Order: sequence, then structure tokens, then C-alpha cells
Amino acid sequence: KQEVTQIPAALSVPEGENLVLNCSFTDSAIYNLQWFRQDPGKGLTSLLLIQSSQREQTSGRLNASLDKSSGRSTLYIAASQPGDSATYLCAVKGDQTGANNLFFGTGTRLTVIP
Amino acid sequence: GAVVSQHPSRVICKSGTSVKIECRSLDFQATTMFWYRQFPKQSLMLMATSNEGSKATYEQGVEKDKFLINHASLTLSTLTVTSAHPEDSSFYICSARVGSLYGYTFGSGTRLTVV
Repeated sequence: KQEVTQIPAALSVPEGENLVLNCSFTDSAIYNLQWFRQDPGKGLTSLLLIQSSQREQTSGRLNASLDKSSGRSTLYIAASQPGDSATYLCAVKGDQTGANNLFFGTGTRLTVIP
Repeated sequence: GAVVSQHPSRVICKSGTSVKIECRSLDFQATTMFWYRQFPKQSLMLMATSNEGSKATYEQGVEKDKFLINHASLTLSTLTVTSAHPEDSSFYICSARVGSLYGYTFGSGTRLTVV
């Protein structure tokens, strides 16, 4: 069964710093990987989606990379802002036929200090 | 973009009563929806996969008679927590797959408190 791990579990950085969040998965047979943001008591907001054939995706200050063979993805946040404070979750979708659900990581709780 | 609307956002109910949570896809059709449960400071745990027009598929350890799922149309799935108990208090989130290019979109979640 796919296992997804995120390191670190929590991270505090001063405003303006660049940072990297890590995600690793045990089964490299994935269809895609998606990064989400979750604010306290709220649902998930999709940030970036990387297909298995892609190496990276960018959206604004966010850049996500994928190394499928090594089972790793990173989310890079440039010039962090207090509004970036949230929990970041990565999730992978298996490539097996009929496998429509996502496997979630444990999340990284980010605090950006003004 | 594709939006999933989930209601209510927060509900408090008495022990022994039933609570229904709705999840609607607003601008797309979702033949499959997913229901997750999230405990404080933990990640999402898949409870069941809701299939339009057929029975839901439940994950191991999830009581299907306790968590009733109905997916009667291509835009609506409901989760009913029957005879709720305090241990059912949790954050419930629904999700739908928009497509291979867009991945999954999630509802805003429902905070259930059983007193």
C-alpha cells in the first residue's frame, strides 16, 4: 500500500525567506501528485498538480518538483509571507486502473513570522 | 475552476441523532466522490468512495451502516452519520475528481460535534 510521508511536520520561518517542503512516497507507480493547502478548520485548496510524466510545475511563488523514480516531491515557496501560514499536504494518485482515490501525506504545518 | 460545495460547515447534534452532510459539484458532473475524515492535527483518512447510481465502497474498518452514503445524481453525494456518538465528532471532507488535468477538488469540510 502506498505510504506518503512529509518532512518536516512543522516549520517556522521569518517572513521573506524561501523554503522547501518535502514529500516522499513508497510506490513510484503514480499517476500524478498534487499539493494542497489547508487552513485551520477549512477544506483543501489545490496548489499544484504534477503529472507522472512531468518534472515540475510552477504557479506564482510556488514551484513543485517531482522525481518519480526516487519517490520524492518538493514544494518550494519563494519570498514567504504571513499569509502562507497553513498546513501543506501532498497527495498521490496511483496509476492502477480504477484507483481513483488519493493517498495523503501527514502534512507540514508552516508558520511564517512577520 | 471546478467547485465542490459542502454543507453544513458546522453542526452540533445530540448523541443518538442522525446528521446529513451534503456535497455538491457546482459546475461539473462527478460520477465519483470521496468522503474523508480528519482528526485534529492528522491527515485525511479515506472513509468511502461514492459512486453515482450504485453502492458506495467503504474502506476497511468503516461501518457502512453507521455512515450511509447516497449518490443519487451526478452532482450530489450525501453522507449521513446515523445514531451519532461523541466519538464520531470529527472533521468530514468530501472530494471529487475533476479530471486528469486538474486533479481533485475538495469541499470546505464539515465540523461535526456530538454532545
